Amino acid sequence: AQSVTQLDSHVSVSEGTPVLLRCNYSSSYSPSLFWYVQHPNKGLQLLLKYTSAATLVKGINGFEAEFKKSETSFHLTKPSAHMSDAAEYFCVVGVLGNAGNMLTFGGGTRLMVKP
Amino acid sequence: DAGVIQSPRHEVTEMGQEVTLRCKPISGHNSLFWYRQTMMRGLELLIYFNNNVPIDDSGMPEDRFSAKMPNASFSTLKIQPSEPRDSAVYFCASSSGTGKAFFGQGTRLTVV
Repeated sequence: AQSVTQLDSHVSVSEGTPVLLRCNYSSSYSPSLFWYVQHPNKGLQLLLKYTSAATLVKGINGFEAEFKKSETSFHLTKPSAHMSDAAEYFCVVGVLGNAGNMLTFGGGTRLMVKP
Repeated sequence: DAGVIQSPRHEVTEMGQEVTLRCKPISGHNSLFWYRQTMMRGLELLIYFNNNVPIDDSGMPEDRFSAKMPNASFSTLKIQPSEPRDSAVYFCASSSGTGKAFFGQGTRLTVV
């Protein structure tokens, strides 16, 4: 069984300030973890993924996330927010491979960026 | 609300057969998305509808795939004929004007 919890449904930051979107997971297997972004009326776009390699994962658009097994967390960060970062962000845990490849989505975090 | 409902949860079929996946979006949502998730390519957007009209189907892999949304409460994704490489998990999601998407539990398709 697996689950994922995004701790904040809404996050508001000012342009140029750091972004932190929090995600905690649980999984019976070694998980793969993903962050996706969705802009209004558009499909999901993969920001980054962790699949048991380096624990600090760098993604597109300056985002990165750190896998912390002891804390069962995979928080998404960015040093400086841009107006175009305003969107919905989903943390996803998945089990890939012969054991199955079902994804479990977090509830999403709406990021708002103020000028 | 029960959330986005997909059926079946699991489907095993033989190569060449027609497969139909079903999705019931959340009531009041006006956008519906179909995704495919595979080990190799991750999550791919296949098609999305807005107010029952297909807006972007550029992700549909080939003519064997078709999707319909005859009304605001139902959508289908059909594969005819199915092939082993179509084996994947297919997700349906719906969203309202606020843009937050809610996902179904997925349909795991195995084509043998």
